[in-house]
Amino acid sequence: DTAVSQTPKYLVTQMGNDKSIKCEQNLGHDTMYWYKQDSKKFLKIMFSYNNKELIINETVPNRFSPKSPDKAHLNLHINSLELGDSAVYFCASSQDLGGYRFFGPGTRLTVL
Amino acid sequence: GNSVTQMEGPVTLSEEAFLTINCTYTATGYPSLFWYVQYPGEGLQLLLKATKADDKGSNKGFEATYRKETTSFHLEKGSVQVSDSAVYFCALRGTRGGADGLTFGKGTHLIIQP
Repeated sequence: DTAVSQTPKYLVTQMGNDKSIKCEQNLGHDTMYWYKQDSKKFLKIMFSYNNKELIINETVPNRFSPKSPDKAHLNLHINSLELGDSAVYFCASSQDLGGYRFFGPGTRLTVL
Repeated sequence: GNSVTQMEGPVTLSEEAFLTINCTYTATGYPSLFWYVQYPGEGLQLLLKATKADDKGSNKGFEATYRKETTSFHLEKGSVQVSDSAVYFCALRGTRGGADGLTFGKGTHLIIQP
């Protein structure tokens, strides 16, 4: 059974489009996250949700909007995609904020 | 604030060589320390952890000792294999939390050649 799953695994799209990435965890964790990993493998936190509530929103353009319909899901919507949005996006979950993270397999987004 | 500094990569070694990846940290209080590993095309996985000074975390032949006096948590392995090729992230969880409760280093890309 996959602990943290993301769809799609690969996403190729044109500039200006709107896209979504879905994430689900079956670990019963209270906290979920979105990270962005750039081409140099640098990992940056974007958002943290605890029990469906946003608790951390780092300096991220407001074109990025997370949505948590329930504790087990945290989706990422991106509007008006730009070239610089090309990266690998990882969803993760933990029992609580600061707990060690279980990561999803990543979604490689390529904006053309 | 909390920060983690890792050695720059890529680190290229031959199979069966001894590995050290340096990690130092800055934090208030008594943080917990972690090493995560990211294999090609996959997400990060927890490799090992240590929660207090002088603790040694170990897993899959890797070890790291929490050294408070040198604020370090260096990752070591006595004999690396090609399958150890991955990106390794050092991380800390501060007692007061980082911006997200967990602060990652920039990652060290390890390449093991047969």
